[in-house]
Amino acid sequence: NAGVTQTPKFQVLKTGQSMTLQCAQDMNHEYMSWYRQDPGMGLRLIHYSVGAGITDQGEVPNGYNVSRSTTEDFPLRLLSAAPSQTSVYFCASSSQYMNTEAFFGQGTRLTVV
Amino acid sequence: DAKTTQPPSMDCAEGRAANLPCNHSTISGNEYVYWYRQIHSQGPQYIIHGLKNNETNEMASLIITEDRKSSTLILPHATLRDTAVYYCIVRSFNTNAGKSTFGDGTTLTVKP
Repeated sequence: NAGVTQTPKFQVLKTGQSMTLQCAQDMNHEYMSWYRQDPGMGLRLIHYSVGAGITDQGEVPNGYNVSRSTTEDFPLRLLSAAPSQTSVYFCASSSQYMNTEAFFGQGTRLTVV
Repeated sequence: DAKTTQPPSMDCAEGRAANLPCNHSTISGNEYVYWYRQIHSQGPQYIIHGLKNNETNEMASLIITEDRKSSTLILPHATLRDTAVYYCIVRSFNTNAGKSTFGDGTTLTVKP
């Protein structure tokens, strides 16, 4: 099992560019979510999904879009990157039924210049 | 979910017990206490959780006060590899783990 896989690990964007951060899990988890972590701070929830075709906003959703067409994948789209979106992004998955812990990917470090 | 308060940083000598406190005075009856840690900007990793009884696993022990308003995570013999940010999270079991609210955590530095 690979767990939660995020790609790319590092990315530099210019202001105004768009890109998609990829997240895939192989644990058949119903629940997936995206967090961002700014330097010296905790994680903040961007968007989450409780299953294929169902997404909802978290604490800081502005500037980001998500979709969930399959159980395995949950991509995060930045429509028009801004320097304020410079952060480390973490994807997580968890089971609806074994709801003890969330499993996190290794993160994508994004810099917007 | 109830708010938690943790000290921003702590030091611990290698081989000694590390005791990390967490205050959650507004915890409600159906909320559990969960601990995660984040090593060197990797993704957070689950450590342990509990409702009201003390819990122990291969990684740590969790002591919850009788009134449940605070708890302590104990790493019995800290090693240099335990240097990390530790997050205390309170949530109900009905709130999915993927919607956990992370505060700023406690940065634990284990020193030789």
